Amino acid sequence: TQLLEQSPQFLSIQEGENLTVYCNSSSVFSSLQWYRQEPGEGPVLLVTVVTGGEVKKLKRLTFQFGDARKDSSLHITAAQPGDTGLYLCAGARGSGGSNYKLTFGKGTLLTVNP
Amino acid sequence: ETGVTQSPTHLIKTRGQQVTLRCSSQSGHNTVSWYQQALGQGPQFIFQYYREEENGRGNFPPRFSGLQFPNYSSELNVNALELDDSALYLCASSLTGLNTEAFFGQGTRLTVV
Repeated sequence: TQLLEQSPQFLSIQEGENLTVYCNSSSVFSSLQWYRQEPGEGPVLLVTVVTGGEVKKLKRLTFQFGDARKDSSLHITAAQPGDTGLYLCAGARGSGGSNYKLTFGKGTLLTVNP
Repeated sequence: ETGVTQSPTHLIKTRGQQVTLRCSSQSGHNTVSWYQQALGQGPQFIFQYYREEENGRGNFPPRFSGLQFPNYSSELNVNALELDDSALYLCASSLTGLNTEAFFGQGTRLTVV
């Protein structure tokens, strides 16, 4: 069974602080995706990282894919209350050229207090 | 271009009943995947449909079944509902191909009493 372990599970910080969320696995994935989910909504894709060692930036969010393509991190600089939500990492593995399935971690519930 | 839409948004069923959930995929997307998200957990893969055929299945019993139609919309059917089936059911559509992006609907909240 492939497992994606996310840490921390819960994070409550003040506006303006920096934070890092980790996503680790013993399995290799063809890509890793980060989603943010708000209550009562479906997950919304933030970024997909494909190449080992890849770093992607999305405004104040920085995503990194480990060299071995087993782990990833999400760093948020100067967090804002609008960043509050459930952050999910998901590893993709496929066969036959199709995006077979996504394996999700349990998520990190981030609360940014004003 | 319309996004992924699911219906109904909320549903209450009694243990032992059957339920059908529906999903309209994003325009042009030919692959639909279904996920179950229990409270406090990440989504768990149920199965995926491509060209009206099941294209992979997670660790769910046969009472979870699905369909995909020629217009790529999809249904998830669950028979003999159990209390543990209470969850948010998410549909995601994508194009076929590795590392393509999956776009999720808002989900159907199913409560089994």
